[in-house]
Amino acid sequence: GEDVEQSLFLSVREGDSSVINCTYTDSSSTYLYWYKQEPGAGLQLLTYIFSNMDMKQDQRLTVLLNKKDKHLSLRIADTQTGDSAIYFCAERDPNSGGGADGLTFGKGTHLIIQP
Amino acid sequence: DGGITQSPKYLFRKEGQNVTLSCEQNLNHDAMYWYRQDPGQGLRLIYYSQIVNDFQKGDIAEGYSVSREKKESFPLTVTSAQKNPTAFYLCASSTPTGEQFFGPGTRLTVL
Repeated sequence: GEDVEQSLFLSVREGDSSVINCTYTDSSSTYLYWYKQEPGAGLQLLTYIFSNMDMKQDQRLTVLLNKKDKHLSLRIADTQTGDSAIYFCAERDPNSGGGADGLTFGKGTHLIIQP
Repeated sequence: DGGITQSPKYLFRKEGQNVTLSCEQNLNHDAMYWYRQDPGQGLRLIYYSQIVNDFQKGDIAEGYSVSREKKESFPLTVTSAQKNPTAFYLCASSTPTGEQFFGPGTRLTVL
């Protein structure tokens, strides 16, 4: 089946940029998403990118998509303690078993902020 | 405010009992989903529904059941047949362009 892979942990210093990486396998993905999960809470949609785009910027967040390498990244500029969370990459995949709008999620990257 | 609510936030169940988790949305979304989250496992799809009175099994449907009698509501029942039900359960609904919005989750613990 299709797979989305992420590193489990990323540690950065407060004020630095964080770059969270994700690889996916489905070349027919139309949308790719980044979600944030704080402890004990649901997932919050941060941003998404359509597959015909290379980059999308939204305030401190920059998403880069390399379709050739099936690589997606999320850059958080000026990382703050409030950014500490688990970040999930997801691809929209009609073959995921979740219907036409089904998503396949990575296992999440824990972002740890050092003071 | 528009959004998705789940209740209860915490739920304790004795072995052999069925329990039902509530999920309600007022976003007017047709599609709704139930996921299970275990540490280090990411999200796994249990059931989904693309329209009222219709639902489909996801990847780990065994031991669970759902209903979709109203557009706003998609309750999940964890039956006694589910051998390892302790987990964090997340409900979501999606827009026509596939953006999924999540509820706050229910943490189920089997005693």
